[in-house]
Amino acid sequence: GAGVSQSPRYKVAKRGQDVALRCDPISGHVSLFWYQQALGQGPEFLTYFQNEAQLDKSGLPSDRFFAERPEGSVSTLKIQRTQQEDSAVYLCASSPTQDGPYYEQYFGPGTRLTVT
Amino acid sequence: AQRVTQPEKLLSVFKGAPVELKCNYSYSGSPELFWYVQYSRQRLQLLLRHISRESIKGFTADLNKGETSFHLKKPFAQEEDSAMYYCALGTDSNYQLIWGAGTKLILQP
Repeated sequence: GAGVSQSPRYKVAKRGQDVALRCDPISGHVSLFWYQQALGQGPEFLTYFQNEAQLDKSGLPSDRFFAERPEGSVSTLKIQRTQQEDSAVYLCASSPTQDGPYYEQYFGPGTRLTVT
Repeated sequence: AQRVTQPEKLLSVFKGAPVELKCNYSYSGSPELFWYVQYSRQRLQLLLRHISRESIKGFTADLNKGETSFHLKKPFAQEEDSAMYYCALGTDSNYQLIWGAGTKLILQP
């Protein structure tokens, strides 16, 4: 079946612009995670959804970052007034269980955001 | 603070030689440890997790709570093992996976 998909794959934004990154998880997957991966680093947790409920948003770096999953499937990560330090790959992952981080996560290809 | 350390950014081994990718973690509770792998131009995927105690593609990893380590080992490296390897820590205090910075494994012919 289809894996996790993300769009766009690449996004160039001018500093100060708003961006929206989309994640389509595997159908039926309960858990959805967003990560930020800077160049040469491992992924860093941003936020976690269980169905439509955002249970953990402690990793969002500032109030410019906002995520939603209104119907418990597709999720959108929005970044307002982008800054250069927001340049990174944004990864989405989904998992079929409610066990949070304990079960295998299935990753999307990522969206590479470059802020100029 | 919870932390995962992968001390080697790059590891170069000869084909057929043993491989050990190091991972140390910092967490006082009961950890859940994972190894994820990213092959060239592919997405991150799970390689193995300590609780399943499997050998995947010839790789094994043993959780050593005394040394707080979860090193990844393979007795004979193969060309197809060239990839980026990430160690990750799950805890029972929140929903986050905490990741190391990754080790790039390169196979020399």
